[in-house]
Amino acid sequence: AQTVTQSQPEMSVQEAETVTLSCTYDTSESDYYLFWYKQPPSRQMILVIRQEAYKQQNATENRFSVNFQKAAKSFSLKISDSQLGDAAMYFCAYFDPDYGGATNKLIFGTGTLLAVQP
Amino acid sequence: NAGVTQTPKFRILKIGQSMTLQCTQDMNHNYMYWYRQDPGMGLKLIYYSVGAGITDKGEVPNGYNVSRSTTEDFPLRLELAAPSQTSVYFCASSYPPGRGARNQPQHFGDGTRLSIL
Repeated sequence: AQTVTQSQPEMSVQEAETVTLSCTYDTSESDYYLFWYKQPPSRQMILVIRQEAYKQQNATENRFSVNFQKAAKSFSLKISDSQLGDAAMYFCAYFDPDYGGATNKLIFGTGTLLAVQP
Repeated sequence: NAGVTQTPKFRILKIGQSMTLQCTQDMNHNYMYWYRQDPGMGLKLIYYSVGAGITDKGEVPNGYNVSRSTTEDFPLRLELAAPSQTSVYFCASSYPPGRGARNQPQHFGDGTRLSIL
């Protein structure tokens, strides 16, 4: 079964600095998707960035970028120029599309709580 | 565009009571999901549906039931509430999986915080 591990329960970063959140996963599949979701105190689940495993290029969304290492099964999130609004719980998630099947689901890690210090 | 709407936002139940958590989406998504999030944990899948009339169990289905009579609605029912079901419940929806920009897999509702005392 696929698993997602986030080994950093909490992280802290100074405003305007850069922080990297770690995520590793385990799967025997070759075609899958990886995501980072942000959950602020409002509890909304907000998609931050996504990576398709068949793409070698690392995904980037403004100040957010990933370092996707497929062989190492690693998927870290880098937040540049951190802002106070980035403070939230961040979840790494794995998605096996199982094309044509009916077992599509997101598997979540346990989350990393990011604090941003002014 | 409202997206995924969950009601209620908060609820307190007594042990043994029953209730239905409502979820509706206006994006014409075929796939809908129910998750629960326990304190300090990620989300775990309770049930999911790939279309009207089709539902299937996720990782933690015990104590819950679902139905999917329309594309828009996917209610989650707790028949005999137990303290272990105290959690935050999220409903989500998506297009069928596939490559390309449409495959942002899941849009989430704002959650329902449920306490069972």
